[in-house]
Amino acid sequence: EAGVAQSPRYKIIEKRQSVAFWCNPISGHATLYWYQQILGQGPKLLIQFQNNGVVDDSQLPKDRFSAERLKGVDSTLKIQPAKLEDSAVYLCASSLPWTVANEAFFGQGTRLTVV
Amino acid sequence: AQKITQTQPGMFVQEKEAVTLDCTYDTSDPSYGLFWYKQPSSGEMIFLIYQGSYDQQNATEGRYSLNFQKARKSANLVISASQLGDSAMYFCAMREGGKLTFGQGTILTVHP
Repeated sequence: EAGVAQSPRYKIIEKRQSVAFWCNPISGHATLYWYQQILGQGPKLLIQFQNNGVVDDSQLPKDRFSAERLKGVDSTLKIQPAKLEDSAVYLCASSLPWTVANEAFFGQGTRLTVV
Repeated sequence: AQKITQTQPGMFVQEKEAVTLDCTYDTSDPSYGLFWYKQPSSGEMIFLIYQGSYDQQNATEGRYSLNFQKARKSANLVISASQLGDSAMYFCAMREGGKLTFGQGTILTVHP
């Protein structure tokens, strides 16, 4: 079974530039999460999708971050314009339709450096 | 308020010894799930073990066991017979209402 795919693996941009990350979840997984993980900290949930609908985006900085999940499969996360504090690893995870027992499977992450 | 609290920033253990990583949680939802993940220096998140709020017995997966004390709202991870490859960051996470929230993590270092 293929895992969660993310690209790119690494990205370096200048502040005020824009950047986009892509995620392809495991086939059949209705739930998709985007997390931001700053070095040395735990993952922070940015947005959660159930199919192509947003379930939770309460911690997404909506003035600069946006995310979509067209057709309930692939998802993109965009930052525009980027700030220095956005430097982090962005993790995508997916799981079967929600029950408390379904574990989330994670991609390798995208390491973003804003200079 | 923190939903998941891991009070040990770092832990050290001798190879072949057992170690306990602490986790406390906060929820008013009667239905929730507790997870432990391992994150090696390579950055991937590896699922280790799961405990449901209604489970009567503590979960076990090989060398991993979860010491679940519901009244105290704690879900400590016990690793028996530590190996050098266990050196990593460990995260406790809770799923409630679909949302999956992580703690700040504990760095475990296994000494030979």
